[in-house]
Amino acid sequence: KNQVEQSPQSLIILEGKNCTLQCNYTVSPFSNLRWYKQDTGRGPVSLTIMTFSENTKSNGRYTATLDADTKQSSLHITASQLSDSASYICVVSANYGGATNKLIFGTGTLLAVQP
Amino acid sequence: DAMVIQNPRYQVTQFGKPVTLSCSQTLNHNVMYWYQQKSSQAPKLLFHYYDKDFNNEADTPDNFQSRRPNTSFCFLDIRSPGLGDAAMYLCATSTWDRQRMGETQYFGPGTRLLVL
Repeated sequence: KNQVEQSPQSLIILEGKNCTLQCNYTVSPFSNLRWYKQDTGRGPVSLTIMTFSENTKSNGRYTATLDADTKQSSLHITASQLSDSASYICVVSANYGGATNKLIFGTGTLLAVQP
Repeated sequence: DAMVIQNPRYQVTQFGKPVTLSCSQTLNHNVMYWYQQKSSQAPKLLFHYYDKDFNNEADTPDNFQSRRPNTSFCFLDIRSPGLGDAAMYLCATSTWDRQRMGETQYFGPGTRLLVL
């Protein structure tokens, strides 16, 4: 069964600190893995995307890693800011052939950055 | 510069009163999706269009219908909303990314539906 599990479910950190969010998946056939940031009441916004051959990708203060062997990914946030408070969703894409992929969503990690 | 636009952002309807949510895109993507997202849950795919081809998820209730009159617009019709249909409804579009051999999906800001 295709599944994406994220940990922790929620996290509180102080402004300026770093944090790492985890994603484990069992999705086949694997196409790519994305991390999305979803602000409360808004649609998800893509932060990073990685295919099978990529093991790290950065976007500003966000750095994602992918270990395709262990089927694990992490999102590291450096020097957190209050605006980083959001839900972070790991989404793994399965391609069964053809031009559309099936997206399997994790339930997200809710991050709260406090002053 | 909005790429995926959803209207309205907030919709209040009465129990059993039909409601239509709209989505438009300026990306000229051939695939459009509707997701339902309830509080603290992951988005759940309802259906998608690949061009004019409609693809329904097996567990999408019959109460939900969709129309795509042209490439740019897609509508979600809820024929008889129940209290359990209160949720955020997300529209997304995608196109095939040859470089990545996969899709890139772009989400709209969502429409939050409240059923009274």
